[in-house]
Amino acid sequence: GAGVSQTPSNKVTEKGKYVELRCDPISGHTALYWYRQSLGQGPEFLIYFQGTGAADDSGLPNDRFFAVRPEGSVSTLKIQRTERGDSAVYLCASSVDRNYEQYFGPGTRLTVT
Amino acid sequence: QKEVEQNSGPLSVPEGAIASLNCTYSDRGSQSFFWYRQYSGKSPELIMSIYSNGDKEDGRFTAQLNKASQYVSLLIRDSQPSDSATYLCAVNGVRGSSNTGKLIFGQGTTLQVKP
Repeated sequence: GAGVSQTPSNKVTEKGKYVELRCDPISGHTALYWYRQSLGQGPEFLIYFQGTGAADDSGLPNDRFFAVRPEGSVSTLKIQRTERGDSAVYLCASSVDRNYEQYFGPGTRLTVT
Repeated sequence: QKEVEQNSGPLSVPEGAIASLNCTYSDRGSQSFFWYRQYSGKSPELIMSIYSNGDKEDGRFTAQLNKASQYVSLLIRDSQPSDSATYLCAVNGVRGSSNTGKLIFGQGTTLQVKP
């Protein structure tokens, strides 16, 4: 079946601009996660949705970052006033629920110039 | 102390050998453990999950868990050049006795399999 999909695959933006990153999870997966990965590091947790609600947003670095999942399927990660330090690969994952395996999408490489 | 620790490597093994990758974690209450493989420029791919003490085998891969010593390992038998990648250990965070869903990753071990 179809895996997790993410769009765009690459995004280049200027410092200070607003960006939206989209994730479409595996069909039937109620849990959705966002992670961020910098070069040479493991993925770093940002936020976890169970259904439509954010069950844990403790990893969001500051209030410029926000994510939604209004219908319990597709999620959008929104970054306001982007900074060069936001440059990273943003990964989305989904799972049946929080106790089980998470499957990652291909990621969105964000570059802030 | 990092929550999940791995030796960054590189770990170099000859083709056909056994590669042994290790990971330690700090939260004694952790219940769920995962190994991901990540090729350069690609996203992490799940290769093994393990939830109870002991060994779990899947093809050429064996995951080993020892909760008392707080370590997880991955053995790759008959290593192939195509196994050359970064291997990420991940542990599900816990709050009380429940998984939080948040995966905590080590920095990964780079494996090089030489023909």
